[in-house]
Amino acid sequence: DGGITQSPKYLFRKEGQNVTLSCEQNLNHDAMYWYRQDPGQGLRLIYYSQIVNDFQKGDIAEGYSVSREKKESFPLTVTSAQKNPTAFYLCASSNTYNSPLHFGNGTRLTVT
Amino acid sequence: GQQVMQIPQYQHVQEGEDFTTYCNSSTTLSNIQWYKQRPGGHPVFLIQLVKSGEVKKQKRLTFQFGEAKKNSSLHITATQTTDVGTYFCAGTLGGATNKLIFGTGTLLAVQP
Repeated sequence: DGGITQSPKYLFRKEGQNVTLSCEQNLNHDAMYWYRQDPGQGLRLIYYSQIVNDFQKGDIAEGYSVSREKKESFPLTVTSAQKNPTAFYLCASSNTYNSPLHFGNGTRLTVT
Repeated sequence: GQQVMQIPQYQHVQEGEDFTTYCNSSTTLSNIQWYKQRPGGHPVFLIQLVKSGEVKKQKRLTFQFGEAKKNSSLHITATQTTDVGTYFCAGTLGGATNKLIFGTGTLLAVQP
């Protein structure tokens, strides 16, 4: 079955620690994305990658970093510089940039 | 900045009633996508509209793209409890930007 896998589903960290969220897809999609969703809010774009070894900042990239060393993988690191890291993080992929998105199940990060 | 607004933010209906959510952009869109997110879940792609004035149907769901390609609507006929969730539109800005912007979403509650 093709799809996007995000792990873990729930993640708890102490303030000041960096944390990396995993995202893997086996859909052979070129483009991958990271979105943040806060309670009752829409989706805000953190980073995106149109092709392997390339990525661009989205609307709220500050305090986050990504890498795209393999086509199927697009991990997101939430650094200690992110002021409000507690949120629901969604990874997505699409065949080409901005074609319909396939989302993973999300990771709910809580930082205390 | 460029925004895609959705109204209403929240709608509560009795099962069997109709429901409509509207999506409005300040700029012309090259296409519009619609997604549904069940409570606690992730957004799932429903449909994409590309042509001015386009209308598409999926069973009880009717999607429209405005003539000026700045607005869109999703209409659900005779709602069911399975329709519960948040409906998002996402518009792709035209021209060199080619940026996908998600709307603010409409949360639909259906009372049996």
